[in-house]
Amino acid sequence: ILNVEQSPQSLHVQEGDSTNFTCSFPSSNFYALHWYRWETAKSPEALFVMTLNGDEKKKGRISATLNTKEGYSYLYIKGSQPEDSATYLCASYSYNNNDMRFGAGTRLTVKP
Amino acid sequence: NAGVMQNPRHLVRRRGQEARLRCSPMKGHSHVYWYRQLPEEGLKFMVYLQKENIIDESGMPKERFSAEFPKEGPSILRIQQVVRGDSAAYFCASSPERPSTDTQYFGPGTRLTVL
Repeated sequence: ILNVEQSPQSLHVQEGDSTNFTCSFPSSNFYALHWYRWETAKSPEALFVMTLNGDEKKKGRISATLNTKEGYSYLYIKGSQPEDSATYLCASYSYNNNDMRFGAGTRLTVKP
Repeated sequence: NAGVMQNPRHLVRRRGQEARLRCSPMKGHSHVYWYRQLPEEGLKFMVYLQKENIIDESGMPKERFSAEFPKEGPSILRIQQVVRGDSAAYFCASSPERPSTDTQYFGPGTRLTVL
């Protein structure tokens, strides 16, 4: 994988459903993986930064895992609420880059 | 502690004019990044600057685009002779250290429309 890829591109769930989505990133020279939450008309807001293989982070109903060997991270939302509706971005930082490579995001819509 | 500030929030330019976008990082942050979001696309890295230095401009078009982060004052992204394809949202972010493990804090963005 050369770029950061996120799937699915969009997701519609009912309030109360649990959901998850994937971020795939280049595993060579990997240093850190960032997750951001981006609401419409606002700026991206940091959720997690993970660096170690097997890392798990949790913030309320949202959690994330990291597999650096195979180059993927999962973001989970338990019991989705309408206020969780946003685009969730992941970004990978590599040793040989000075930039953060962002995925295109997963757009989540939670229906009441 | 004010967050990252960008101005203007909306900018309209005619083809051929110059666009200047400003970014004031969070207090204590010496690293600034500029990103562009084209319609229906994700965030694309453009340039990474520290005070008075461009560290990485590999994502910035070679012509018409330039960026600076002077010792005093905000970071400026300058687009000369704008074309319609430059219409996009431009976001800047700042961090206290390199973005290896430090979170980047984003500004609200400047939406550039080229007529």
